Amino acid sequence: AQSVTQLGSHVSVSEGALVLLRCNYSSSVPPYLFWYVQYPNQGLQLLLKYTTGATLVKGINGFEAEFKKSETSFHLTKPSAHMSDAAEYFCAVSDRGRNAGNMLTFGGGTRLMVKP
Amino acid sequence: EAQVTQNPRYLITVTGKKLTVTCSQNMNHEYMSWYRQDPGLGLRQIYYSMNVEVTDKGDVPEGYKVSRKEKRNFPLILESPSPNQTSLYFCASRLEYNQPQHFGDGTRLSIL
Repeated sequence: AQSVTQLGSHVSVSEGALVLLRCNYSSSVPPYLFWYVQYPNQGLQLLLKYTTGATLVKGINGFEAEFKKSETSFHLTKPSAHMSDAAEYFCAVSDRGRNAGNMLTFGGGTRLMVKP
Repeated sequence: EAQVTQNPRYLITVTGKKLTVTCSQNMNHEYMSWYRQDPGLGLRQIYYSMNVEVTDKGDVPEGYKVSRKEKRNFPLILESPSPNQTSLYFCASRLEYNQPQHFGDGTRLSIL
Protein backbone atom coordinates (compact mmCIF):
# COMPACT_ATOMS: atom_id res chain seq x y z
CA ALA A 1 0.00 0.00 0.00
CA GLN A 2 1.07 3.53 -0.69
CA SER A 3 2.25 5.82 2.04
CA VAL A 4 2.71 9.57 1.88
CA THR A 5 4.93 11.55 4.23
CA GLN A 6 4.70 15.27 4.69
CA LEU A 7 7.69 16.50 6.63
CA GLY A 8 6.64 19.10 9.17
CA SER A 9 3.10 19.24 10.47
CA HIS A 10 3.50 23.01 10.95
CA VAL A 11 5.51 25.42 8.84
CA SER A 12 5.82 29.12 9.60
CA VAL A 13 7.12 31.70 7.12
CA SER A 14 7.16 35.46 6.92
CA GLU A 15 5.06 37.27 4.36
CA GLY A 16 7.09 37.52 1.15
CA ALA A 17 9.33 34.57 1.99
CA LEU A 18 9.67 31.34 0.06
CA VAL A 19 7.18 28.60 0.88
CA LEU A 20 8.45 25.01 0.73
CA LEU A 21 6.19 22.14 1.79
CA ARG A 22 7.67 18.67 1.50
CA CYS A 23 6.00 15.49 0.27
CA ASN A 24 7.50 12.05 -0.26
CA TYR A 25 5.70 8.92 -1.41
CA SER A 26 6.61 5.29 -1.09
CA SER A 27 5.70 3.68 -4.42
CA SER A 28 8.43 2.42 -6.75
CA VAL A 29 6.08 3.11 -9.67
CA PRO A 30 5.39 6.83 -10.03
CA PRO A 31 1.81 7.47 -9.00
CA TYR A 32 -0.51 10.31 -9.84
CA LEU A 33 0.31 13.16 -7.47
CA PHE A 34 -1.87 15.94 -6.10
CA TRP A 35 -1.65 18.85 -3.75
CA TYR A 36 -4.79 20.12 -2.03
CA VAL A 37 -5.39 23.12 0.20
CA GLN A 38 -7.93 23.32 2.99
CA TYR A 39 -9.04 26.64 4.43
CA PRO A 40 -10.78 26.68 7.83
CA ASN A 41 -14.25 25.11 7.82
CA GLN A 42 -14.02 24.22 4.16
CA GLY A 43 -13.44 21.18 2.03
CA LEU A 44 -10.30 20.53 0.05
CA GLN A 45 -9.47 22.41 -3.13
CA LEU A 46 -7.08 21.15 -5.75
CA LEU A 47 -3.92 23.23 -6.08
CA LEU A 48 -2.18 21.20 -8.76
CA LYS A 49 -1.65 17.69 -10.07
CA TYR A 50 0.95 15.61 -11.84
CA THR A 51 -0.13 12.73 -14.03
CA THR A 52 2.36 12.67 -16.88
CA GLY A 53 4.60 14.92 -18.95
CA ALA A 54 6.48 17.93 -17.60
CA THR A 55 7.76 17.32 -14.11
CA LEU A 56 7.37 20.93 -13.01
CA VAL A 57 3.69 21.56 -12.50
CA LYS A 58 2.13 24.97 -12.03
CA GLY A 59 -1.05 25.37 -10.05
CA ILE A 60 -3.37 28.04 -8.78
CA ASN A 61 -2.42 30.97 -6.53
CA GLY A 62 1.21 30.96 -7.69
CA PHE A 63 2.05 27.50 -6.35
CA GLU A 64 4.12 24.95 -8.21
CA ALA A 65 5.50 21.50 -7.52
CA GLU A 66 8.22 19.39 -9.03
CA PHE A 67 8.01 15.63 -9.43
CA LYS A 68 11.39 14.02 -8.79
CA LYS A 69 11.28 10.32 -9.48
CA SER A 70 14.76 9.62 -8.11
CA GLU A 71 13.80 11.19 -4.79
CA THR A 72 10.18 9.96 -4.79
CA SER A 73 9.23 13.52 -3.95
CA PHE A 74 6.67 16.10 -4.98
CA HIS A 75 7.48 19.22 -2.96
CA LEU A 76 5.23 22.27 -3.15
CA THR A 77 6.73 25.75 -3.47
CA LYS A 78 5.69 29.37 -3.83
CA PRO A 79 8.27 32.13 -4.28
CA SER A 80 6.55 34.70 -2.07
CA ALA A 81 4.07 33.91 0.68
CA HIS A 82 0.90 35.95 1.16
CA MET A 83 -1.18 36.13 4.31
CA SER A 84 -4.01 34.49 2.39
CA ASP A 85 -1.87 31.36 1.92
CA ALA A 86 -2.31 30.42 5.56
CA ALA A 87 -4.13 27.08 5.43
CA GLU A 88 -3.55 23.36 5.69
CA TYR A 89 -1.97 21.62 2.72
CA PHE A 90 -2.28 17.96 1.82
CA CYS A 91 -0.24 15.88 -0.56
CA ALA A 92 -2.08 12.89 -2.05
CA VAL A 93 -1.16 10.04 -4.36
CA SER A 94 -3.17 7.64 -6.49
CA ASP A 95 -1.85 4.50 -8.12
CA ARG A 96 -1.84 4.47 -11.90
CA GLY A 97 -4.25 2.44 -13.93
CA ARG A 98 -7.98 1.82 -13.87
CA ASN A 99 -7.46 -1.43 -11.97
CA ALA A 100 -6.00 0.55 -9.11
CA GLY A 101 -9.53 1.52 -8.33
CA ASN A 102 -10.24 4.70 -6.50
CA MET A 103 -7.71 4.58 -3.72
CA LEU A 104 -6.30 7.98 -2.88
CA THR A 105 -3.77 8.15 -0.07
CA PHE A 106 -3.20 11.41 1.77
CA GLY A 107 -0.30 12.66 3.79
CA GLY A 108 -0.86 13.90 7.32
CA GLY A 109 -1.07 17.52 6.25
CA THR A 110 1.07 20.60 6.84
CA ARG A 111 -0.38 23.69 8.43
CA LEU A 112 1.19 26.79 6.90
CA MET A 113 1.30 29.93 9.01
CA VAL A 114 2.28 33.27 7.47
CA LYS A 115 3.64 35.99 9.73
CA PRO A 116 3.25 39.65 8.83
CA GLU B 1 -22.66 25.11 -10.33
CA ALA B 2 -20.64 21.90 -10.10
CA GLN B 3 -20.64 20.72 -6.53
CA VAL B 4 -20.65 17.92 -4.01
CA THR B 5 -23.27 18.44 -1.32
CA GLN B 6 -23.17 16.79 2.08
CA ASN B 7 -25.83 16.83 4.77
CA PRO B 8 -25.90 17.47 7.61
CA ARG B 9 -22.92 19.76 8.09
CA TYR B 10 -22.91 19.22 11.83
CA LEU B 11 -24.39 16.48 13.99
CA ILE B 12 -24.15 15.63 17.66
CA THR B 13 -25.65 12.29 18.58
CA VAL B 14 -25.32 9.43 21.03
CA THR B 15 -23.68 6.03 20.90
CA GLY B 16 -25.72 3.39 19.09
CA LYS B 17 -28.20 5.67 17.34
CA LYS B 18 -28.11 4.92 13.62
CA LEU B 19 -27.33 7.85 11.39
CA THR B 20 -26.88 8.57 7.71
CA VAL B 21 -24.82 11.28 6.08
CA THR B 22 -25.97 12.02 2.57
CA CYS B 23 -23.73 12.96 -0.35
CA SER B 24 -24.86 14.10 -3.75
CA GLN B 25 -22.90 15.29 -6.79
CA ASN B 26 -24.21 17.01 -9.91
CA MET B 27 -21.24 16.39 -12.21
CA ASN B 28 -22.19 12.92 -13.48
CA HIS B 29 -19.00 11.54 -11.95
CA GLU B 30 -18.33 7.80 -11.95
CA TYR B 31 -16.16 7.71 -8.86
CA MET B 32 -17.20 8.69 -5.35
CA SER B 33 -15.48 8.31 -1.99
CA TRP B 34 -15.87 8.92 1.70
CA TYR B 35 -13.01 10.09 3.92
CA ARG B 36 -12.57 10.90 7.54
CA GLN B 37 -10.17 13.57 8.68
CA ASP B 38 -8.48 13.38 12.08
CA PRO B 39 -5.72 15.67 13.39
CA GLY B 40 -2.27 14.50 12.35
CA LEU B 41 -3.63 11.64 10.28
CA GLY B 42 -4.72 13.55 7.18
CA LEU B 43 -7.64 12.08 5.31
CA ARG B 44 -8.24 8.36 5.35
CA GLN B 45 -10.48 6.68 2.85
CA ILE B 46 -13.46 4.81 4.30
CA TYR B 47 -15.22 3.47 1.21
CA TYR B 48 -15.24 4.22 -2.46
CA SER B 49 -17.42 3.49 -5.44
CA MET B 50 -16.45 3.20 -9.09
CA ASN B 51 -19.99 3.09 -10.41
CA VAL B 52 -23.58 2.31 -9.49
CA GLU B 53 -23.77 -0.83 -7.35
CA VAL B 54 -19.95 -1.06 -7.25
CA THR B 55 -18.39 -0.24 -3.90
CA ASP B 56 -15.22 -1.27 -2.12
CA LYS B 57 -13.48 -0.78 1.21
CA GLY B 58 -10.87 1.85 1.75
CA ASP B 59 -8.36 1.99 4.59
CA VAL B 60 -10.78 2.35 7.52
CA PRO B 61 -14.16 0.75 6.67
CA GLU B 62 -14.97 -0.77 10.06
CA GLY B 63 -18.23 0.53 11.50
CA TYR B 64 -19.43 2.09 8.24
CA LYS B 65 -21.68 1.09 5.37
CA VAL B 66 -22.32 2.70 2.01
CA SER B 67 -24.61 2.20 -0.94
CA ARG B 68 -24.60 3.45 -4.52
CA LYS B 69 -28.04 2.94 -5.98
CA GLU B 70 -27.89 6.03 -8.15
CA LYS B 71 -24.92 7.64 -9.82
CA ARG B 72 -25.33 10.98 -8.07
CA ASN B 73 -25.80 9.75 -4.49
CA PHE B 74 -23.44 7.97 -2.11
CA PRO B 75 -24.73 7.94 1.48
CA LEU B 76 -22.57 6.96 4.45
CA ILE B 77 -24.32 4.92 7.11
CA LEU B 78 -23.24 4.41 10.70
CA GLU B 79 -25.43 1.58 11.97
CA SER B 80 -24.25 1.81 15.59
CA PRO B 81 -22.04 4.87 16.02
CA SER B 82 -19.35 4.89 18.70
CA PRO B 83 -17.28 7.75 20.15
CA ASN B 84 -14.22 6.75 18.09
CA GLN B 85 -16.18 7.71 15.00
CA THR B 86 -16.24 11.32 16.11
CA SER B 87 -14.51 13.02 13.22
CA LEU B 88 -14.79 15.33 10.22
CA TYR B 89 -16.13 13.49 7.18
CA PHE B 90 -15.73 14.39 3.54
CA CYS B 91 -17.44 13.06 0.47
CA ALA B 92 -15.67 13.43 -2.85
CA SER B 93 -16.25 12.58 -6.48
CA ARG B 94 -14.20 12.48 -9.65
CA LEU B 95 -14.84 11.84 -13.30
CA GLU B 96 -12.10 9.31 -13.95
CA TYR B 97 -9.49 7.42 -11.96
CA ASN B 98 -6.69 9.79 -13.02
CA GLN B 99 -8.58 13.00 -12.29
CA PRO B 100 -8.56 15.05 -9.08
CA GLN B 101 -11.30 14.74 -6.53
CA HIS B 102 -14.01 17.35 -5.93
CA PHE B 103 -14.78 17.59 -2.23
CA GLY B 104 -17.86 18.49 -0.29
CA ASP B 105 -17.65 21.00 2.56
CA GLY B 106 -17.52 18.31 5.22
CA THR B 107 -19.72 16.92 7.99
CA ARG B 108 -18.59 17.22 11.57
CA LEU B 109 -19.91 14.30 13.62
CA SER B 110 -19.73 14.12 17.40
CA ILE B 111 -20.72 10.80 18.97
CA LEU B 112 -21.25 11.08 22.72
